[in-house]
Amino acid sequence: QQQVRQSPQSLTVWEGGTTVLTCSYEDSTFNYFPWYQQFPGEGPALLISILSVSDKKEDGRFTTFFNKREKKLSLHIIDSQPGDSATYFCAGSNTNTGKLTFGDGTVLTVKP
Amino acid sequence: EAAVTQSPRNKVAVTGGKVTLSCNQTNNHNNMYWYRQDTGHGLRLIHYSYGAGSTEKGDIPDGYKASRPSQENFSLILELATPSQTSVYFCASGETGGQDTQYFGPGTRLLVL
Repeated sequence: QQQVRQSPQSLTVWEGGTTVLTCSYEDSTFNYFPWYQQFPGEGPALLISILSVSDKKEDGRFTTFFNKREKKLSLHIIDSQPGDSATYFCAGSNTNTGKLTFGDGTVLTVKP
Repeated sequence: EAAVTQSPRNKVAVTGGKVTLSCNQTNNHNNMYWYRQDTGHGLRLIHYSYGAGSTEKGDIPDGYKASRPSQENFSLILELATPSQTSVYFCASGETGGQDTQYFGPGTRLLVL
């Protein structure tokens, strides 16, 4: 049973538009949820993260929302840019273990 | 900025051969991790370590061993490589205590023929 599910698998948006990526998880002990961004040929890099005590965290054009009751989270990118084209992974962990469980990723393409 | 390096960056191995993938971090992080990434899949945890001398099994440890001889170095060992182990392998380091940012290396692309 996959612990972290992401949708959609791929997404194309126009420059300037809003991107919405979603994620759901199974493990109710998860309390930390990072989003990683990965460009081709590189390792993933932390984009933004949220703890389960919060329902929203914002960093510039990137905002992540968390819904504990539904075990869901989302990543919103406003004013999407071609440079945002990458694969985005959500992950979950219990902060006691530090082990991350990743979703399968969403490939985002932003067209100019 | 965190610095995690991996070697080799690309490797071709034969079935049944031994493969060692190396990872070095200069962040003085306690935790280190080995993941594999396959097309259409996220990163899956193979082995991890909480410090020098310690190794722990991750979610998919079968066919892999790990070694953490020092704070800086963490190796992944395939004693008898198989074609199913063809993948991209990422090493990461992070601080202890959860909520730690994991800093990833650039990856090693392994092809087992």
